Amino acid sequence: GENVEQHPSTLSVQEGDSAVIKCTYSDSASNYFPWYKQELGKRPQLIIDIRSNVGEKKDQRIAVTLNKTAKHFSLHITETQPEDSAVYFCAASRVDSSYKLIFGSGTRLLVRP
Amino acid sequence: NAGVMQNPRHLVRRRGQEARLRCSPMKGHSHVYWYRQLPEEGLKFMVYLQKENIIDESGMPKERFSAEFPKEGPSILRIQQVVRGDSAAYFCASSPPGGLGTEAFFGQGTRLTVV
Repeated sequence: GENVEQHPSTLSVQEGDSAVIKCTYSDSASNYFPWYKQELGKRPQLIIDIRSNVGEKKDQRIAVTLNKTAKHFSLHITETQPEDSAVYFCAASRVDSSYKLIFGSGTRLLVRP
Repeated sequence: NAGVMQNPRHLVRRRGQEARLRCSPMKGHSHVYWYRQLPEEGLKFMVYLQKENIIDESGMPKERFSAEFPKEGPSILRIQQVVRGDSAAYFCASSPPGGLGTEAFFGQGTRLTVV
Protein backbone atom coordinates (compact mmCIF):
# COMPACT_ATOMS: atom_id res chain seq x y z
CA GLY A 1 0.00 0.00 0.00
CA GLU A 2 0.90 3.66 0.09
CA ASN A 3 3.73 4.49 2.44
CA VAL A 4 5.92 7.48 3.29
CA GLU A 5 9.14 7.04 5.24
CA GLN A 6 10.74 9.99 7.01
CA HIS A 7 14.21 10.43 8.50
CA PRO A 8 15.60 11.33 10.94
CA SER A 9 13.07 10.92 13.74
CA THR A 10 14.89 13.52 15.83
CA LEU A 11 17.28 16.27 14.80
CA SER A 12 19.17 18.68 17.02
CA VAL A 13 21.03 21.62 15.49
CA GLN A 14 22.72 24.76 16.71
CA GLU A 15 20.94 28.02 16.04
CA GLY A 16 22.04 29.35 12.68
CA ASP A 17 22.89 25.94 11.24
CA SER A 18 20.89 24.19 8.53
CA ALA A 19 18.48 21.31 9.03
CA VAL A 20 17.58 18.70 6.43
CA ILE A 21 14.73 16.21 6.66
CA LYS A 22 14.27 13.48 4.06
CA CYS A 23 11.26 11.47 2.91
CA THR A 24 10.67 8.69 0.42
CA TYR A 25 7.31 7.62 -0.94
CA SER A 26 6.09 4.38 -2.45
CA ASP A 27 3.16 5.43 -4.69
CA SER A 28 4.63 6.50 -8.03
CA ALA A 29 1.33 8.25 -8.85
CA SER A 30 1.83 10.75 -6.02
CA ASN A 31 2.11 14.26 -7.40
CA TYR A 32 1.72 16.60 -4.42
CA PHE A 33 4.14 16.78 -1.48
CA PRO A 34 3.36 19.14 1.41
CA TRP A 35 5.35 19.71 4.57
CA TYR A 36 3.62 20.47 7.86
CA LYS A 37 4.94 21.96 11.08
CA GLN A 38 3.22 20.94 14.29
CA GLU A 39 3.89 22.61 17.60
CA LEU A 40 2.98 20.87 20.82
CA GLY A 41 -0.78 20.58 21.22
CA LYS A 42 -1.47 22.45 17.99
CA ARG A 43 -2.77 21.49 14.56
CA PRO A 44 -0.46 20.75 11.64
CA GLN A 45 0.22 23.86 9.60
CA LEU A 46 1.37 23.84 6.01
CA ILE A 47 4.78 25.49 5.60
CA ILE A 48 5.63 24.63 2.02
CA ASP A 49 4.53 22.25 -0.69
CA ILE A 50 5.78 21.08 -4.06
CA ARG A 51 4.08 19.50 -7.01
CA SER A 52 5.55 16.90 -9.30
CA ASN A 53 6.02 19.26 -12.22
CA VAL A 54 8.87 21.11 -10.43
CA GLY A 55 12.08 19.93 -8.82
CA GLU A 56 12.65 22.64 -6.25
CA LYS A 57 10.75 25.38 -4.45
CA LYS A 58 12.01 27.99 -2.03
CA ASP A 59 10.30 30.32 0.42
CA GLN A 60 12.71 32.49 2.42
CA ARG A 61 14.63 30.12 4.75
CA ILE A 62 12.69 27.02 3.69
CA ALA A 63 13.21 24.99 0.55
CA VAL A 64 11.94 21.66 -0.71
CA THR A 65 13.47 19.46 -3.39
CA LEU A 66 11.84 16.59 -5.25
CA ASN A 67 13.44 13.69 -7.12
CA LYS A 68 10.61 11.87 -8.87
CA THR A 69 12.86 9.16 -10.26
CA ALA A 70 14.07 8.20 -6.81
CA LYS A 71 10.68 8.97 -5.22
CA HIS A 72 12.45 11.15 -2.70
CA PHE A 73 11.85 14.65 -1.38
CA SER A 74 13.56 16.79 1.24
CA LEU A 75 12.96 19.82 3.43
CA HIS A 76 15.81 22.25 3.96
CA ILE A 77 15.72 24.92 6.65
CA THR A 78 18.60 27.40 6.64
CA GLU A 79 19.67 29.80 9.39
CA THR A 80 17.60 27.92 11.93
CA GLN A 81 16.05 29.78 14.85
CA PRO A 82 14.74 28.49 18.21
CA GLU A 83 11.18 29.11 17.03
CA ASP A 84 11.76 26.53 14.28
CA SER A 85 11.72 23.87 17.01
CA ALA A 86 8.68 21.66 16.37
CA VAL A 87 7.70 18.35 14.79
CA TYR A 88 7.80 18.36 11.01
CA PHE A 89 5.78 15.98 8.86
CA CYS A 90 6.14 15.23 5.19
CA ALA A 91 3.20 13.89 3.22
CA ALA A 92 2.38 12.63 -0.23
CA SER A 93 -0.85 12.67 -2.16
CA ARG A 94 -2.38 11.97 -5.53
CA VAL A 95 -4.09 15.23 -6.32
CA ASP A 96 -6.59 14.01 -8.82
CA SER A 97 -9.91 14.25 -7.08
CA SER A 98 -8.94 14.45 -3.43
CA TYR A 99 -6.28 15.60 -0.97
CA LYS A 100 -5.96 12.33 0.95
CA LEU A 101 -2.55 12.68 2.55
CA ILE A 102 -0.19 9.88 3.52
CA PHE A 103 2.08 11.22 6.25
CA GLY A 104 5.58 10.36 7.30
CA SER A 105 6.21 9.54 10.94
CA GLY A 106 7.58 12.98 11.78
CA THR A 107 10.88 14.61 12.71
CA ARG A 108 11.28 16.34 16.04
CA LEU A 109 13.56 19.32 15.37
CA LEU A 110 15.30 21.03 18.27
CA VAL A 111 17.19 24.23 17.60
CA ARG A 112 19.61 24.97 20.43
CA PRO A 113 20.15 28.67 21.18
CA ASN B 1 -13.75 32.66 6.97
CA ALA B 2 -13.54 30.91 10.32
CA GLY B 3 -11.48 28.01 9.04
CA VAL B 4 -12.10 24.36 9.84
CA MET B 5 -13.97 24.12 13.13
CA GLN B 6 -13.82 21.05 15.31
CA ASN B 7 -15.63 20.44 18.56
CA PRO B 8 -15.22 19.59 21.23
CA ARG B 9 -11.53 20.43 21.63
CA HIS B 10 -11.19 17.97 24.48
CA LEU B 11 -13.39 14.96 25.19
CA VAL B 12 -13.16 12.51 28.07
CA ARG B 13 -15.06 9.25 27.88
CA ARG B 14 -15.18 6.18 30.06
CA ARG B 15 -14.50 2.81 28.50
CA GLY B 16 -17.61 1.54 26.75
CA GLN B 17 -19.15 4.97 26.11
CA GLU B 18 -19.65 6.58 22.72
CA ALA B 19 -17.61 9.50 21.41
CA ARG B 20 -18.96 11.91 18.79
CA LEU B 21 -16.54 14.31 17.15
CA ARG B 22 -17.75 17.14 14.92
CA CYS B 23 -16.12 18.95 12.05
CA SER B 24 -17.41 21.93 10.11
CA PRO B 25 -15.38 22.49 6.94
CA MET B 26 -14.30 25.83 5.64
CA LYS B 27 -16.90 27.72 3.67
CA GLY B 28 -16.98 26.50 0.10
CA HIS B 29 -15.19 23.24 0.91
CA SER B 30 -17.05 20.08 0.03
CA HIS B 31 -14.41 17.49 0.93
CA VAL B 32 -13.70 16.38 4.50
CA TYR B 33 -10.92 14.12 5.76
CA TRP B 34 -10.41 12.62 9.20
CA TYR B 35 -6.98 11.74 10.57
CA ARG B 36 -5.94 10.16 13.86
CA GLN B 37 -2.74 11.01 15.67
CA LEU B 38 -1.66 8.71 18.47
CA PRO B 39 0.68 10.21 21.09
CA GLU B 40 4.18 10.76 19.71
CA GLU B 41 3.17 9.48 16.27
CA GLY B 42 2.28 10.84 12.85
CA LEU B 43 -1.14 11.41 11.39
CA LYS B 44 -2.93 8.42 9.92
CA PHE B 45 -5.62 8.82 7.31
CA MET B 46 -8.98 7.42 8.38
CA VAL B 47 -11.73 8.47 5.98
CA TYR B 48 -12.54 10.87 3.15
CA LEU B 49 -16.10 12.10 2.69
CA GLN B 50 -18.05 14.37 0.42
CA LYS B 51 -21.59 15.52 1.17
CA GLU B 52 -23.70 12.40 1.84
CA ASN B 53 -20.98 10.10 0.48
CA ILE B 54 -18.08 8.14 1.91
CA ILE B 55 -15.44 8.18 -0.81
CA ASP B 56 -12.54 6.36 0.87
CA GLU B 57 -12.69 4.66 4.26
CA SER B 58 -9.58 2.55 3.83
CA GLY B 59 -8.08 3.86 7.08
CA MET B 60 -11.09 3.28 9.29
CA PRO B 61 -11.00 0.44 11.81
CA LYS B 62 -13.48 -2.24 10.80
CA GLU B 63 -15.50 -2.07 13.99
CA ARG B 64 -16.85 0.64 16.28
CA PHE B 65 -15.86 3.56 14.02
CA SER B 66 -18.18 5.32 11.60
CA ALA B 67 -18.29 8.66 9.82
CA GLU B 68 -20.85 10.74 8.02
CA PHE B 69 -21.12 14.07 6.28
CA PRO B 70 -24.81 14.88 5.91
CA LYS B 71 -26.32 17.29 3.43
CA GLU B 72 -26.82 19.77 6.26
CA GLY B 73 -24.58 20.16 9.27
CA PRO B 74 -21.09 19.08 10.23
CA SER B 75 -19.25 15.88 9.54
CA ILE B 76 -19.42 13.45 12.47
CA LEU B 77 -16.87 10.83 13.47
CA ARG B 78 -18.48 8.35 15.84
CA ILE B 79 -16.62 5.88 17.99
CA GLN B 80 -18.76 3.35 19.80
CA GLN B 81 -17.74 1.45 22.94
CA VAL B 82 -14.49 3.35 23.28
CA VAL B 83 -11.37 1.62 24.60
CA ARG B 84 -8.17 3.08 26.05
CA GLY B 85 -6.42 2.59 22.72
CA ASP B 86 -8.79 5.08 21.10
CA SER B 87 -7.17 7.89 23.09
CA ALA B 88 -5.65 10.17 20.48
CA ALA B 89 -5.97 13.50 18.73
CA TYR B 90 -8.46 13.40 15.89
CA PHE B 91 -7.94 16.01 13.20
CA CYS B 92 -10.32 16.99 10.48
CA ALA B 93 -9.23 18.66 7.26
CA SER B 94 -11.24 20.12 4.41
CA SER B 95 -10.54 21.07 0.84
CA PRO B 96 -12.46 22.42 -2.12
CA PRO B 97 -13.19 20.06 -5.01
CA GLY B 98 -9.92 18.42 -6.05
CA GLY B 99 -7.31 19.59 -8.50
CA LEU B 100 -4.03 21.40 -8.47
CA GLY B 101 -3.72 24.76 -6.81
CA THR B 102 -5.37 24.25 -3.46
CA GLU B 103 -4.45 22.68 -0.15
CA ALA B 104 -6.18 20.88 2.67
CA PHE B 105 -6.72 22.94 5.83
CA PHE B 106 -6.67 21.32 9.25
CA GLY B 107 -8.88 22.03 12.23
CA GLN B 108 -7.54 22.37 15.77
CA GLY B 109 -8.32 18.75 16.54
CA THR B 110 -10.29 16.92 19.21
CA ARG B 111 -8.24 15.29 21.92
CA LEU B 112 -10.04 12.19 23.08
CA THR B 113 -9.08 10.66 26.40
CA VAL B 114 -10.59 7.33 27.40
CA VAL B 115 -10.44 6.62 31.12
